[in-house]
Amino acid sequence: AQSVTQPDIHITVSEGASLELRCNYSYGATPYLFWYVQSPGQGLQLLLKYFSGDTLVQGIKGFEAEFKRSQSSFNLRKPSVHWSDAAEYFCAVGANPYNNNDMRFGAGTRLTVKP
Amino acid sequence: KAGVTQTPRYLIKTRGQQVTLSCSPISGHRSVSWYQQTPGQGLQFLFEYFSETQRNKGNFPGRFSGRQFSNSRSEMNVSTLELGDSALYLCASSLDGPVTDTQYFGPGTRLTVL
Repeated sequence: AQSVTQPDIHITVSEGASLELRCNYSYGATPYLFWYVQSPGQGLQLLLKYFSGDTLVQGIKGFEAEFKRSQSSFNLRKPSVHWSDAAEYFCAVGANPYNNNDMRFGAGTRLTVKP
Repeated sequence: KAGVTQTPRYLIKTRGQQVTLSCSPISGHRSVSWYQQTPGQGLQFLFEYFSETQRNKGNFPGRFSGRQFSNSRSEMNVSTLELGDSALYLCASSLDGPVTDTQYFGPGTRLTVL
């Protein structure tokens, strides 16, 4: 069964600094990979997803992620963080395009943005 | 267009009671999924409904059940509540499927079991 690990529980960056959130997955075949963001008191919002093709994926709000099969990673990046990016970020991996009963979410990384 | 709405937003119950949570998907979306979010277990998939049929199910006991109506609105029921059922329950809708289509999440229902 697939699994996903987000090694960093909490990250603090200064506003305007670059950001990289790490995500490692375990799965034998090519997984379906997602990044979601959750603001306090809100549900999750999809930032981007990777199914196949170009390994550098562009998402909303200026985020991008790169799929690296050799490292089993799908790290999320943003060149310049804004205060409004403070939230919790979840990486998720799925194995089947037709259902989500084997979708696994990481434990999340909480992002704090310093002024 | 309106997003996914969930009612109620907060709920307090006692052990042994049952509870029903409601989810109204985005208009035109036929797939509704439910998730449980807790600090200890994180986000876990409960089940997915599509066109009034349960299409997928996660690894939860039979106390957790759901249904979907012809207008795609969905309800989730938990019977014989346990303390461990305290969680944020999230509903998500998508056009036809939660993996290939974008899932749109509601704000969740915060259930506290005393």
